[in-house]
Amino acid sequence: GESVGLHLPTLSVQEGDNSIINCAYSNSASDYFIWYKQESGKGPQFIIDIRSNMDKRQGQRVTVLLNKTVKHLSLQIAATQPGDSAVYFCAVLNNYGQNFVFGPGTRLSVLP
Amino acid sequence: ETGVTQTPRHLVMGMTNKKSLKCEQHLGHNAMYWYKQSAKKPLELMFVYNFKEQTENNSVPSRFSPECPNSSHLFLHLHTLQPEDSALYLCASSQERTTNEKLFFGSGTQLSVL
Repeated sequence: GESVGLHLPTLSVQEGDNSIINCAYSNSASDYFIWYKQESGKGPQFIIDIRSNMDKRQGQRVTVLLNKTVKHLSLQIAATQPGDSAVYFCAVLNNYGQNFVFGPGTRLSVLP
Repeated sequence: ETGVTQTPRHLVMGMTNKKSLKCEQHLGHNAMYWYKQSAKKPLELMFVYNFKEQTENNSVPSRFSPECPNSSHLFLHLHTLQPEDSALYLCASSQERTTNEKLFFGSGTQLSVL
């Protein structure tokens, strides 16, 4: 089966700096990846997704990078703002292509 | 507004109570899901419905009983819960139960079992 982990449970960045949040997955056959943002008291909110036929995808202030060789996924947030403070977690579609496996999440704190 | 509405937002219940969680999606989706989110743990899939039919029960104890009367509504009936069932229960929906479909989540019901 699939397992999804990440490198840091918490991350603190200065306002205006760039943030990088990472995920590692285990199954090389995984082919769809999503980053979610969860603010306190709210449900997970879709940020950006990427499929395995791509290695980079950009949105508004966010970029997702996929390195299939080392099975690593990252989310980059440019010019981090106080409103970016939240828990971020990745979701990986498992080898049966039916259920997402979720990472445990990284809590991003933006310092003034 | 995410398009997926859950009620109640908070629920406190005793171990002998019976309560129900409600989820409604306004996105025209055909698949709905219940997830459990415990502190410091990843989301755990509980149940999946596709076109009103239950397609997955992820080894969930029988004290949790789902119901899906139509593609827009999903319930989770609770009875004789245990304190370790205290968690955030999230409802999600997707277009269909197929691959490469992103999930849309509600805000969840924060459940405390005393």
